[in-house]
Amino acid sequence: DAGVTQSPTHLIKTRGQHVTLRCSPISGHKSVSWYQQVLGQGPQFIFQYYEKEERGRGNFPDRFSARQFPNYSSELNVNALLLGDSALYLCASSYYRETEAFFGQGTRLTVV
Amino acid sequence: GENVEQHPSTLSVQEGDSAVIKCTYSDSASNYFPWYKQELGKRPQLIIDIRSNVGEKKDQRIAVTLNKTAKHFSLHITETQPEDSAVYFCAASRGNSGGSNYKLTFGKGTLLTVNP
Repeated sequence: DAGVTQSPTHLIKTRGQHVTLRCSPISGHKSVSWYQQVLGQGPQFIFQYYEKEERGRGNFPDRFSARQFPNYSSELNVNALLLGDSALYLCASSYYRETEAFFGQGTRLTVV
Repeated sequence: GENVEQHPSTLSVQEGDSAVIKCTYSDSASNYFPWYKQELGKRPQLIIDIRSNVGEKKDQRIAVTLNKTAKHFSLHITETQPEDSAVYFCAASRGNSGGSNYKLTFGKGTLLTVNP
């Protein structure tokens, strides 16, 4: 039984570039959330999608966007990358919006 | 918005001792409180959670207590083992609030070291 899978696992980008991160939720889970985890800190909420609609947005600039597909997988897009965007990006899936959230292994993004 | 404070930031115990990590939250509407364990370079793993309609929950060596009046909750690990060494995060959310933004607000984490 596969857990939450994210791709790629590691990524190095240059300032100003664009990045797309991908997430496949646990089979049957309808909700996907994205979190940013800076080294030494707890994860910070970026977005939640449920049934392909954005249901929540954290305090992140408009350079961050996301979407959820009919199969409930999701993409996180970040434009005009800054050095400060370097972090571990975590995807979490849950059956409903308010049920237990299970995390993927994350994508380690380094912006140089 | 919700703010979650977590203490201590580091905790070192001897194998077999107990460990306690405490968190406070600010949003009285929060009603779901999970705890995650994150080993170095790995994903956060849900180890136990509690909802606001109960005051305590146990799962083998792990227990969580919740005081809604004081807005704090704690993780208790008994008979600690070296494999319990990790960073532990508490979180809070308005789960089950019907229509509200369900998001987890995390504490800054506690690095637990269990010395053999």
